[in-house]
Amino acid sequence: DTEVTQTPKHLVMGMTNKKSLKCEQHMGHRAMYWYKQKAKKPPELMFVYSYEKLSINESVPSRFSPECPNSSLLNLHLHALQPEDSALYLCASSQLTVDYGYTFGSGTRLTVV
Amino acid sequence: AQSVTQLGSHVSVSEGALVLLRCNYSSSVPPYLFWYVQYPNQGLQLLLKYTTGATLVKGINGFEAEFKKSETSFHLTKPSAHMSDAAEYFCAVSNPNTGGFKTIFGAGTRLFVKA
Repeated sequence: DTEVTQTPKHLVMGMTNKKSLKCEQHMGHRAMYWYKQKAKKPPELMFVYSYEKLSINESVPSRFSPECPNSSLLNLHLHALQPEDSALYLCASSQLTVDYGYTFGSGTRLTVV
Repeated sequence: AQSVTQLGSHVSVSEGALVLLRCNYSSSVPPYLFWYVQYPNQGLQLLLKYTTGATLVKGINGFEAEFKKSETSFHLTKPSAHMSDAAEYFCAVSNPNTGGFKTIFGAGTRLFVKA
C-alpha cells in the first residue's frame, strides 16, 4: 500500500459545528503532516507528528486540533472555524529522514459557511 | 533560513516542445530538493528529488532536473511536452540537518500545454 487516504473528500460546515478530518497510511511512515492550501497558493505547513508525538505546530489557531492516535492515523479536529479557513487540507507522510520526499493524500476540500 | 523562488507563475508550451520550469533556492547547508506536481483537485505527487550524489536526477513521466550548486538552481525539464503534463508544479527545499520536516514550497508554476 503506497497511498495516503483522506476522508471525507468534501466537507461543508457551519461556524458553530465540530467536525474531524481523517488521514490514514500503511507505509510504515513515522512522520505525518497537515498542510493547508488556499487556491492558487502553495501548501502551508500546519502540524508535524513524528513517532506519534507533535513535533511542530506552526502557530496554528486553537480551533484546529490535531491528534495522532497511532502510527497509521492522523486526525484534524475542527471547531468554530471561520470562512477564511475554507481551503484544501492535505495530509502527508514520510520516512523520518524525509530524503524520499512526502506522500500526499488527495485532500479534503473544506468550505466553512 | 531556507527559501525557494520559482521564476514564472505561468509557463505555456506547445505539445512536443521542451518544458523548462525554473527553481532557485537559498539554503545555508546542502539542501534536499524536490519537485512535486499537482493536478486539479488532487494532492501533490513527487516527481523527483535530489539529496546527495549525482546532480542530474531523473523522475517519473520523463522529467529530470539538475542540481547546480554554483547557481543555486534546480530547474525541471522534459524534452517533449504532452497534454497530460498540464498541471501545477512546485519546487521544494528542506534542511536535512534539522530533520527536514519543514519543507518549504515555492509559489508554484502553472504549466499550460497547447495542442
